[in-house]
Amino acid sequence: AQSVAQPEDQVNVAEGNPLTVKCTYSVSGNPYLFWYVQYPNRGLQFLLKYITGDNLVKGSYGFEAEFNKSQTSFHLKKPSALVSDSALYFCAVRRGYGGSQGNLIFGKGTKLSVKP
Amino acid sequence: AAGVIQSPRHLIKEKRETATLKCYPIPRHDTVYWYQQGPGQDPQFLISFYEKMQSDKGSIPDRFSAQQFSDYHSELNMSSLELGDSALYFCASSLGGTGYQETQYFGPGTRLLVL
Repeated sequence: AQSVAQPEDQVNVAEGNPLTVKCTYSVSGNPYLFWYVQYPNRGLQFLLKYITGDNLVKGSYGFEAEFNKSQTSFHLKKPSALVSDSALYFCAVRRGYGGSQGNLIFGKGTKLSVKP
Repeated sequence: AAGVIQSPRHLIKEKRETATLKCYPIPRHDTVYWYQQGPGQDPQFLISFYEKMQSDKGSIPDRFSAQQFSDYHSELNMSSLELGDSALYFCASSLGGTGYQETQYFGPGTRLLVL
């Protein structure tokens, strides 16, 4: 069964410092991985996804993620954090592949707090 | 760019009442997903539709039903509401069925409070 783990409930970073939000996955077959961000009382905004190809995926707002097959990880990164990046971040894996069963399975979320 | 529209944004109901949530997908998107996010929880998949047919079913209670209409909008009908149904309900849409490469774009959600 597909699953995603986000080992940190909260990550604290100083503005201007690099940030990493961790995600590990467990899938049968090829992984299809996504990152979403949720601001308070808002919907989920798509950041980036890994389907195939280059292990380094670039997304919105300067975020990127590195797919590591041997470590079954898909960590989200940003070289220089902004206070406005403070939000709840969800890693997700696509259930199944092809045809139906395309719903997302989410991790528990990581709250990112960027201090000035 | 047009986004997913959900209505209403907020809804307050009494126990045992019914509620109907509506979702209007991004234009040309033919697939709709419904998710439920409880307080402090991750979103949980409820049900999905592709080309007006149910394509997959998750942890949706029997008290809930949903459908996708000819214009691709979808409605989630919730009956005999319980206190535990209080949550944020998201709709997401994607293009081209439930293919694994497609990105799901989420609406702002409907916050349901059952008293």
